[in-house]
Amino acid sequence: DAGITQSPRHKVTETGTPVTLRCHQTENHRYMYWYRQDPGHGLRLIHYSYGVKDTDKGEVSDGYSVSRSKTEDFLLTLESATSSQTSVYFCAISESLTYEQYFGPGTRLTVT
Amino acid sequence: ILNVEQSPQSLHVQEGDSTNFTCSFPSSNFYALHWYRWETAKSPEALFVMTLNGDEKKKGRISATLNTKEGYSYLYIKGSQPEDSATYLCAFYNTNAGKSTFGDGTTLTVKP
Repeated sequence: DAGITQSPRHKVTETGTPVTLRCHQTENHRYMYWYRQDPGHGLRLIHYSYGVKDTDKGEVSDGYSVSRSKTEDFLLTLESATSSQTSVYFCAISESLTYEQYFGPGTRLTVT
Repeated sequence: ILNVEQSPQSLHVQEGDSTNFTCSFPSSNFYALHWYRWETAKSPEALFVMTLNGDEKKKGRISATLNTKEGYSYLYIKGSQPEDSATYLCAFYNTNAGKSTFGDGTTLTVKP
C-alpha cells in the first residue's frame, strides 16, 4: 500500500470554526489531491498540488484553502466550517497527473 | 468542467452472473482513463490505466476496453462473486483540463 496517512480520521466541529486536515505521504510523489465524497456525487476535487507551494483549484474549492510547504504534507483548511462541508475527505497522491492515484484512508468530518 | 458519465448508477446481480458497465467521456483531447474499485468503508484502489484506443486490460475476472474515438470504456466482470461488490469509478484525463475528472460511479451488488 502507498504510504499515505490522513489526520484526524474523525472530527466533529461547530459551524464557524476553522478546521485543518492533514495528508502525509512517504512516497515522494509530486502530485497531491483533496477530494470530498458526497452521496450521488462520487468524488469531487477540491484542490490539488503539483509541487511545493504550487496548488490549483478543483471544482468545489469555495470555502477551502490548501498549503504545501513540504513535499510530504498537504493541508486542507476550512476557513469557517459550515454544515454543507460535512463529508468524508480523501487525500490522494500520484507521480504524474496522468498516472493512477493512491488514496488515503479518509477523514470523516461532521460540522454541527 | 468535463462531463464523465457512468451507467448504470447501480446494478444488482446474482453470484456467477457476468456483468458490464460503461464510462462515457468527451472524445476530444483524450489522454488517459483510469478505473478504480471502491469498497464500502475503504478507499478507492486503481484497477486499470488505459491510454490507447483499442486498449484492453485484464486482471483476473475483471477486464476493460477503451474506445477513445467514440468516448467510452467498458468494464466487464466475468462470473461475479460477492467480494466484487463495490463502487467502480472511472476517471478521465483530458489534456485541456489539466487534471482528472471522476464519474459518479456504478455501484455493484452481487447476491450469493
